[in-house]
Amino acid sequence: SQQGEEDPQALSIQEGENATMNCSYKTSINNLQWYRQNSGRGLVHLILIRSNEREKHSGRLRVTLDTSKKSSSLLITASRAADTASYFCATVDYNTDKLIFGTGTRLQVFP
Amino acid sequence: DGGITQSPKYLFRKEGQNVTLSCEQNLNHDAMYWYRQDPGQGLRLIYYSQIVNDFQKGDIAEGYSVSREKKESFPLTVTSAQKNPTAFYLCASSIYPDPSNQPQHFGDGTRLSIL
Repeated sequence: SQQGEEDPQALSIQEGENATMNCSYKTSINNLQWYRQNSGRGLVHLILIRSNEREKHSGRLRVTLDTSKKSSSLLITASRAADTASYFCATVDYNTDKLIFGTGTRLQVFP
Repeated sequence: DGGITQSPKYLFRKEGQNVTLSCEQNLNHDAMYWYRQDPGQGLRLIYYSQIVNDFQKGDIAEGYSVSREKKESFPLTVTSAQKNPTAFYLCASSIYPDPSNQPQHFGDGTRLSIL
């Protein structure tokens, strides 16, 4: 079952620009997580935002959560070539209590 | 440094052969997970274990088997019954089996291909 879906599927920007990725989900959640995956590597946890939070920051990352619209966004400011990766949102399916990952946004940052 | 080690990085399977993927963690985490990732797709849960000597099927368990005899180790066997095993396999762990509130830590994966 697909809980989260990211938009866009792919994004290409120049270094220094901001990158925004969106995630929509279907059911009520306790929290939402964002992960990064470099090509051929495992996922790395970036940030967890709880359902009672609207915005959270971590370095150059800003995550927002709108539970009324069942959506979240991940903003990477002043992007770098090293930010090139796929980004996934993940939420828990209440029926199964398992973490469900979206299909990801592939971000390419050109130097 | 603490982390999750998956081996081998690349693995080839012949027809009718069972193969085992290794996953070891030294994070002292209770919960461990196996995911399958196909190109351009998200992760799908194969099996998970919340505690030693216990494990549960995920969404796509058919053709796979696991064991959890030690806290540190959660090997995955891809059996000959899995007819489409070519994929990237990721092992993960979390300190507690609470997927809603605990981030998962991942290994660097094993890429399995059919010969």
